[in-house]
Amino acid sequence: DVKVTQSSRYLVKRTGEKVFLECVQDMDHENMFWYRQDPGLGLRLIYFSYDVKMKEKGDIPEGYSVSREKKERFSLILESASTNQTSMYLCASTSAQETQYFGPGTRLLVL
Amino acid sequence: GDSVTQMEGPVTLSEEAFLTINCTYTATGYPSLFWYVQYPGEGLQLLLKATKADDKGSNKGFEATYRKETTSFHLEKGSVQVSDSAVYFCALSPNTGRRALTFGSGTRLQVQP
Repeated sequence: DVKVTQSSRYLVKRTGEKVFLECVQDMDHENMFWYRQDPGLGLRLIYFSYDVKMKEKGDIPEGYSVSREKKERFSLILESASTNQTSMYLCASTSAQETQYFGPGTRLLVL
Repeated sequence: GDSVTQMEGPVTLSEEAFLTINCTYTATGYPSLFWYVQYPGEGLQLLLKATKADDKGSNKGFEATYRKETTSFHLEKGSVQVSDSAVYFCALSPNTGRRALTFGSGTRLQVQP
């Protein structure tokens, strides 16, 4: 059974803190993605990676960075969290033309 | 750029009613089309997909047909159940270049007993 896991389901952080969200997949997929989900806006792509150490900006990369040191792990970093980064964050992975598989999401609250 | 437009919700139906959630898209080339479902407190799960024109995706009683002439991929179910209450997302993926999905804004479905 395919599996994408995210390090936390809920996080509460303070403005200015550095925040790490981690995602691990066990399907040997090349491509991994980070989206954020906000009511009325659907899911928007933050960053994606198509190979180890490779990354590309998505549609809303400002305020975020990513790291992919191993094929199975893709980390999203908020260098200095702000209140407008309060959101649900979803990780996904896929291989070539296959379906994207999503993790359960991390709900982040920045105070 | 690519975009997906789906009907706004919430959609409220009685059990056993017929469901249609409209989805239209704008894309270059020939994208693959998807419907994902998100149950309360969970991540997204693939419901069905279609990869070329006139393909019909189906799963759990839901269906959608890839209509290139109308650039649409409407989701239908003949008889909804309370357990179908969720948020439904239409999405597309280009078949070349970036593989990321472009999502619609989501439609919340509430089915009442």
